[in-house]
Amino acid sequence: GEDVEQSLFLSVREGDSSVINCTYTDSSSTYLYWYKQEPGAGLQLLTYIFSNMDMKQDQRLTVLLNKKDKHLSLRIADTQTGDSAIYFCAPGSGAGSYQLTFGKGTKLSVIP
Amino acid sequence: DAGVIQSPRHEVTEMGQEVTLRCKPISGHDYLFWYRQTMMRGLELLIYFNNNVPIDDSGMPEDRFSAKMPNASFSTLKIQPSEPRDSAVYFCASILSGGRGEQFFGPGTRLTVL
Repeated sequence: GEDVEQSLFLSVREGDSSVINCTYTDSSSTYLYWYKQEPGAGLQLLTYIFSNMDMKQDQRLTVLLNKKDKHLSLRIADTQTGDSAIYFCAPGSGAGSYQLTFGKGTKLSVIP
Repeated sequence: DAGVIQSPRHEVTEMGQEVTLRCKPISGHDYLFWYRQTMMRGLELLIYFNNNVPIDDSGMPEDRFSAKMPNASFSTLKIQPSEPRDSAVYFCASILSGGRGEQFFGPGTRLTVL
């Protein structure tokens, strides 16, 4: 089955950029997602990228996709203390399936 | 829309007791997923339904776990008998098929088995 790897922790200073990386094994994903989980809450979709794109920008968020290397990254510009949360990479399964495989999540800590 | 609703939000029970977790998906969504989240194993898919029919239950840890979806508005996850290692946060998520496949998550049920 799909395997998704992320580093577990990232610490950045407020105002700096954060980059969260993810590698995956299944190349048939149509959509690849980033979810955010705040303490005591469920996961919320943060952004996504379609598999035929290399980059997607959405305000402070930039998603980069390298399909050849099966590498996905999320960059948060001007990181704020409110960005402190756990971020999950979740490549979708191939066409016809709506299953997601989640990485273990990267806990982002923003230092004021 | 109220989003995905789960109840209870917290459950504390003793080993051996039956536990029932409940989920109401977003109206009109046709897929429903049950996940378990622990520090050690992360987020694990337990089972998912399409149009109330279980499609894949290979993630259900053992026979003590069962899930039902009697109608499009309601699903349950039952653990009988419960064990301390079942302590986790259980999430329900739903999807409307045909779109980009975004899963909408409920707030979760934190289960503690003493």
